Amino acid sequence: KAGVTQTPRYLIKTRGQQVTLSCSPISGHRSVSWYQQTPGQGLQFLFEYFSETQRNKGNFPGRFSGRQFSNSRSEMNVSTLELGDSALYLCASSRGQTASTGELFFGEGSRLTVL
Amino acid sequence: AQSVTQLGSHVSVSEGALVLLRCNYSSSVPPYLFWYVQYPNQGLQLLLKYTTGATLVKGINGFEAEFKKSETSFHLTKPSAHMSDAAEYFCAVSGPDYKLSFGAGTTVTVRA
Repeated sequence: KAGVTQTPRYLIKTRGQQVTLSCSPISGHRSVSWYQQTPGQGLQFLFEYFSETQRNKGNFPGRFSGRQFSNSRSEMNVSTLELGDSALYLCASSRGQTASTGELFFGEGSRLTVL
Repeated sequence: AQSVTQLGSHVSVSEGALVLLRCNYSSSVPPYLFWYVQYPNQGLQLLLKYTTGATLVKGINGFEAEFKKSETSFHLTKPSAHMSDAAEYFCAVSGPDYKLSFGAGTTVTVRA
């Protein structure tokens, strides 16, 4: 059974650019959540999707957005990149309607560097 | 909103010694509690979770954690450390807003 797949694994952008990250959940999982991991702030919740609907959102500016497709694949987008957006972006999928009460299966992450 | 405090950002243990990682949480309602492990350059993997019922929870790789409501704690233990336990460990809690909050993490190193 394939795990959670995130692409790309590594990318380098410059300030002001935008980036799109992709996440394919485990087959049959309909809930996808996104987290930002940095050495200073740790793991911070970005947003969660279930059946193409955003169910929950963290405290991030509007530059951070996401969506989920009918096949449960999800994308997140960061516009007008800032240096502080450099981080490991982790995607997780789960079976239930909400990721916060069940087991999360994480991908290996997309490491974004903003220069 | 709920929050998690992990005491100690780094823990060093000898191989075969007890591993004890401390986690305290705050939540206005009975929480769901989790421990996750992250190996270098990998995502997180669930070690164990507490939802309801038995307060002593057994997880994978010989880890267990005890939910103590009176102390608002969910400490993780393993009786005998193995070299393969070297990783970063995260405690997490979810509360009434259904958002998962992670602690800052504790890095475990195991000395031969």
